[in-house]
Amino acid sequence: QVQLQESGPGLVKPSETLSLTCGVSGFSISSGYYWGWIRQPPGKGLEWIGSMYHSGSTYYNPSLTSRVTISADTSKNQFSLKLNSVTAADTAAYYCARGRVRDCTGGGCSQDVFDIWGQGTMVTVSS
Amino acid sequence: EIVMTQSPATLSVSPGERATLSCRASQSDRNNLAWYQQKPGQAPRLLIYGASTRATGVPARFSGSGSGTEFTLTISSLQSEDFAVYYCHQYNHWPLTFGGGTKVEIK
Repeated sequence: QVQLQESGPGLVKPSETLSLTCGVSGFSISSGYYWGWIRQPPGKGLEWIGSMYHSGSTYYNPSLTSRVTISADTSKNQFSLKLNSVTAADTAAYYCARGRVRDCTGGGCSQDVFDIWGQGTMVTVSS
Repeated sequence: EIVMTQSPATLSVSPGERATLSCRASQSDRNNLAWYQQKPGQAPRLLIYGASTRATGVPARFSGSGSGTEFTLTISSLQSEDFAVYYCHQYNHWPLTFGGGTKVEIK
């Protein structure tokens, strides 16, 4: 059974860097699929942050691309999110998720639906 | 960016009744459209993908339909555990986008 679990600080100061890790069990992240991050401000809807293909290619939300980095540590079977220069607007529940693949060609695959999600972790930006 | 618009924002339904939720995409989605259910304090749960395919373990009372830019999630007979917020999500184009959600509440 594939499971994802977010971890990281629950409180980050303004202007600092938010760092979260998603540990994956039951599946090797280097074997395939996309691995993504989605966030949800309190009482609001879902916002896609970015996704990383198992080969290392990354895709980011244009609204966040200047501040976000997604990377993987295959030795620990986990992937990470870094969001720098945070403000109160970055306060949200952060979810990691697995994305299926589709339309595979020699150049790679497109991302399909997010099928498995972590339970989420709340991050508050405050001094 | 493909904008996903869900309606209504809130739907009041009595248990046992039918609920119909709508989602409109600003551009054609090739049916790369999913529906998620989210209950308070929980992560979203995948219900429907490919516009009409139920995910593993999802009851048959949930059905998805539509194509192009207009999509519908139907819950044929609402059970107590179905009262939640539902989001549509397009994964056809980067950036991936979600609708604003429809809250299904008890009438």
